[in-house]
Amino acid sequence: DAGVIQSPRHEVTEMGQEVTLRCKPISGHDYLFWYRQTMMRGLELLIYFNNNVPIDDSGMPEDRFSAKMPNASFSTLKIQPSEPRDSAVYFCASSLALSKAKNIQYFGAGTRLSVL
Amino acid sequence: AQKITQTQPGMFVQEKEAVTLDCTYDTSDPSYGLFWYKQPSSGEMIFLIYQGSYDQQNATEGRYSLNFQKARKSANLVISASQLGDSAMYFCAMRDNNYGQNFVFGPGTRLSVLP
Repeated sequence: DAGVIQSPRHEVTEMGQEVTLRCKPISGHDYLFWYRQTMMRGLELLIYFNNNVPIDDSGMPEDRFSAKMPNASFSTLKIQPSEPRDSAVYFCASSLALSKAKNIQYFGAGTRLSVL
Repeated sequence: AQKITQTQPGMFVQEKEAVTLDCTYDTSDPSYGLFWYKQPSSGEMIFLIYQGSYDQQNATEGRYSLNFQKARKSANLVISASQLGDSAMYFCAMRDNNYGQNFVFGPGTRLSVLP
């Protein structure tokens, strides 16, 4: 399998612009996660889906952030309007729940977002 | 609340030697999973090893092993025969049933392998 695929790998945009990050999970996985990584806050879970349904979005920072999963093989994370404080690396991860505890997440390569 | 502590911000090890990266956790749930991930300078997050709270034996995956001490709530990662390619950030993470599928990650330890 190709693993979790994220695009773009790098995104540079200006404040106020809309940013869309994309993710293709590993085929057959039933969970998809979006994380943000910054030096100050480390890795933070933003939202996760189970069978395409959003389960927990309590980590989404504010209404400027939205995530969708229209089908089992595609998800997007959108920031509108973007702000400089959104600059971070955004990871997508997917997993197949073998049990409640043993649910190994496999990460994509990440998207490095810079908002100027 | 869940919590993961990694007390070593940075570690150095000589090539071919073994190194232990510390991780302690806090949870009130008897059923939980512990995970270690490696993040090299290229940025990707690579899954290394998993330990379940009910597993009787310490997990091993090649040169990686997990020193699981349940009573102490510690899950230290041991890397044997260090290689230059092991230089990276290492994150300990935990999931318990109280928080659904939410992982909690520790702050990480930066390991540098010296030639």
